[in-house]
Parts: sequence; C-alpha cells; structure tokens
Amino acid sequence: RKEVEQDPGPFNVPEGATVAFNCTYSNSASQSFFWYRQDCRKEPKLLMSVYSSGNEDGRFTAQLNRASQYISLLIRDSKLSDSATYLCVVSGSNDYKLSFGAGTTVTVRA
Amino acid sequence: DGGITQSPKYLFRKEGQNVTLSCEQNLNHDAMYWYRQDPGQGLRLIYYSQIVNDFQKGDIAEGYSVSREKKESFPLTVTSAQKNPTAFYLCASIGGKRGYTFGSGTRLTVV
Repeated sequence: RKEVEQDPGPFNVPEGATVAFNCTYSNSASQSFFWYRQDCRKEPKLLMSVYSSGNEDGRFTAQLNRASQYISLLIRDSKLSDSATYLCVVSGSNDYKLSFGAGTTVTVRA
Repeated sequence: DGGITQSPKYLFRKEGQNVTLSCEQNLNHDAMYWYRQDPGQGLRLIYYSQIVNDFQKGDIAEGYSVSREKKESFPLTVTSAQKNPTAFYLCASIGGKRGYTFGSGTRLTVV
C-alpha cells in the first residue's frame, strides 16, 4: 500500500463551482499534513498546512480526519487560475521526511 | 529573500556521462532533499541530508550520489549507472513544521 494515495482526477469544473477531493495516508503516527500546488513544469509550492481542527485560507478549506486517516481540500468559487495539480504531503515518523501523493489534477473551465 | 537555487534549469547528458546538479539554499535549513519527478507521477526521494557531512539514501538512490560539505549546498551527481535519468529533479529543504521549500528544478534529458 502506498504511503499517500490520491484520486488522480482530473476534476473538470466550471468557473464558480466548488470542487473537493481527498487524500488517504497509511502511517497513523503522521503528525504534519500539507497541500501543495504544482503548475505544469514548475516546482510544487505550499498551498496550506492542515491542522487538526481544520483550517481555511480564503476560498480553500482543509480538513483532517485522523480516525479514518485522510485529509481533504475544498475549493470554493473556482477560478481559472486554480487549474493545477494538488499534491497531498504527509510526514513520516518525524517531520524531516515527508511523503507525497501523486497529485490530483483540477481543471477549471470558463 | 531566502530561497533555494537550482542550476542549471535545463541539462542534457550524453550516454555514459556523469553530470552534477547544483542546489544552494540560504534559508539556514539543516535538512535538504533531492527528488525526482517523472511525467504524471509523484515525487520520489533520491537522497536526503539532515546535517552537514551526513546523508541517507531515499527510495531510488541507485545511480545517484550526493555530498554535503556545507550547510548551504547539496549537489546531486547523476552517474552513468543511472539507466533512465531523464526526469525533472527537485531540490528541497525543510525548516521544522512548515513543510518543504523547493527550488525551481532542473530538467535533465539524455541525448
């Protein structure tokens, strides 16, 4: 079983729509969780950390469910500029080694 | 501003040739990492270093070598033993619980 698994998508949504997707992780001892955004042929960039209580950053909301070992990302009022691949990243036994999902591709159409 | 600088941006390697990818950071981070990304795939860990003069193999270390003589620098050598080196190589560093900071990557192609 992979350490971090994501639905690869693609999720094709119209502008203004809400899109949500999950990521599951296998290590119950994981402590740190992140969503990264990667544009085509570019490096990943941190979108947001995911906290136990859930957190929101503008149109983006992240949730953590430790019991079921998944994290989620919800994007409200999608913009064309939200089109990207979203990587789920989870810490291992310490915060110095992170595992990456293969990414979920989101395409927002006009 | 602090960050990670990778060079070159594009690199072409002939069969049987060793090439070295540069990674420099001025974030004062202890831990540095090299990842490889193939089209449509996730990042795979090649090597990582948590402290100067120490490094560990990641999941796909065969055909690669690294050194960590200075805190700021973590160069990656792709040796002739790496049979399929064409990929996007990403260097990263980490500062505590704030996740990775990535360089802009080196795209390596075998010609």
